[in-house]
Amino acid sequence: EAQVTQNPRYLITVTGKKLTVTCSQNMNHEYMSWYRQDPGLGLRQIYYSMNVEVTDKGDVPEGYKVSRKEKRNFPLILESPSPNQTSLYFCASSPMRQPVNTEAFFGQGTRLTVV
Amino acid sequence: AQTVTQSQPEMSVQEAETVTLSCTYDTSENNYYLFWYKQPPSRQMILVIRQEAYKQQNATENRFSVNFQKAAKSFSLKISDSQLGDTAMYFCAFMALETSGSRLTFGEGTQLTVNP
Repeated sequence: EAQVTQNPRYLITVTGKKLTVTCSQNMNHEYMSWYRQDPGLGLRQIYYSMNVEVTDKGDVPEGYKVSRKEKRNFPLILESPSPNQTSLYFCASSPMRQPVNTEAFFGQGTRLTVV
Repeated sequence: AQTVTQSQPEMSVQEAETVTLSCTYDTSENNYYLFWYKQPPSRQMILVIRQEAYKQQNATENRFSVNFQKAAKSFSLKISDSQLGDTAMYFCAFMALETSGSRLTFGEGTQLTVNP
């Protein structure tokens, strides 16, 4: 089954304690990205990657890091989480090449609370 | 840069009736796609319908259809015969393939409630 798997689904942490949210896809997609969802703001892109070892900032990258060492994995790292990073996070993947079935596949979401 | 605007934060409709959700966007791109995603309480992001900008014909998927007005940069979603299971947050999204890969730009969302 084609899917994007995110873990964990729920996480409560304290300010300053490093954490990693994992994301893995089994569709051999080139493009992977992270979004955060906040009320009234929709989903905003944090970081994206067009292929292995190729990552770039999205609209709201401050306070986040990513890596793309393997095509299937794209972890999101919060080195020193702060309360303003409390949010719902989604990982997504999609193919890059045309003809493209341009549907993006989303993970189940991670609800992060930083206290 | 692209922007997507959903001006209706909340809407409600009676079961079996029709409702239309609005979306406008701004772009200088010529080759792009527009999407409506549904997010039920489970938080899962579900693709409802997709429209290619080069196609003049409006996309339809069963009870869901769009009114795509390219010149006006408008992309509304019509849900016919509303069902209780349609209760969800709906997001309009834009993707410009030529310049931004597969990046999606989302609107703010519209919370739709279908009442029995």
